[in-house]
Amino acid sequence: AQSVTQLDSHVSVSEGTPVLLRCNYSSSYSPSLFWYVQHPNKGLQLLLKYTSAATLVKGINGFEAEFKKSETSFHLTKPSAHMSDAAEYFCVVSGIGTYKYIFGTGTRLKVLA
Amino acid sequence: GAGVSQSPSNKVTEKGKDVELRCDPISGHTALYWYRQSLGQGLEFLIYFQGNSAPDKSGLPSDRFSAERTGGSVSTLTIQRTQQEDSAVYLCASRNLIADNSYNEQFFGPGTRLTVL
Repeated sequence: AQSVTQLDSHVSVSEGTPVLLRCNYSSSYSPSLFWYVQHPNKGLQLLLKYTSAATLVKGINGFEAEFKKSETSFHLTKPSAHMSDAAEYFCVVSGIGTYKYIFGTGTRLKVLA
Repeated sequence: GAGVSQSPSNKVTEKGKDVELRCDPISGHTALYWYRQSLGQGLEFLIYFQGNSAPDKSGLPSDRFSAERTGGSVSTLTIQRTQQEDSAVYLCASRNLIADNSYNEQFFGPGTRLTVL
């Protein structure tokens, strides 16, 4: 079975400060993990994905995430927030042996000027 | 190349009417998913199509919901006798299955916002 927990439903940061969006997962399979971003009234866009090649994954727009098996975590970070980063972020788990993608409930990121 | 497209982008209907939502996946993508996203909620899986295999309909919330995929490409999600609780954004996604059936992401369409009055 698979599950994913996004630990914060809302996060507020000031522009120029670091972003941390937390995600914990559970998977019976070798997991593949994704972060998607959804801007208002838009579809979901892939930020980055973990595919076992490297534990530190770099994505678009300066985001990165680190896969920590011992902590079953895949937290999303960015060194310096930009106003355009304000959106909803979803952590997703899938893996070998399943076609299902399990979505977290989302974290809404607010960036303050 | 073209991404996943969905139509209409917005649909307002009266309670009890039937609606059809369309999804055009990325060309060559054999897997297609439908999800429902209610206000402030995550994504709820509805149905999965893969090639000519029988679809996984386990996420459809009631027998008022049905979907088909013609010719392995375009998909239509039909909701009969709509209810107010059907109001949501319906998202379609496609993906390309690679040899080891893993690690490849879904590509999402912009969604159809359904409002049932």
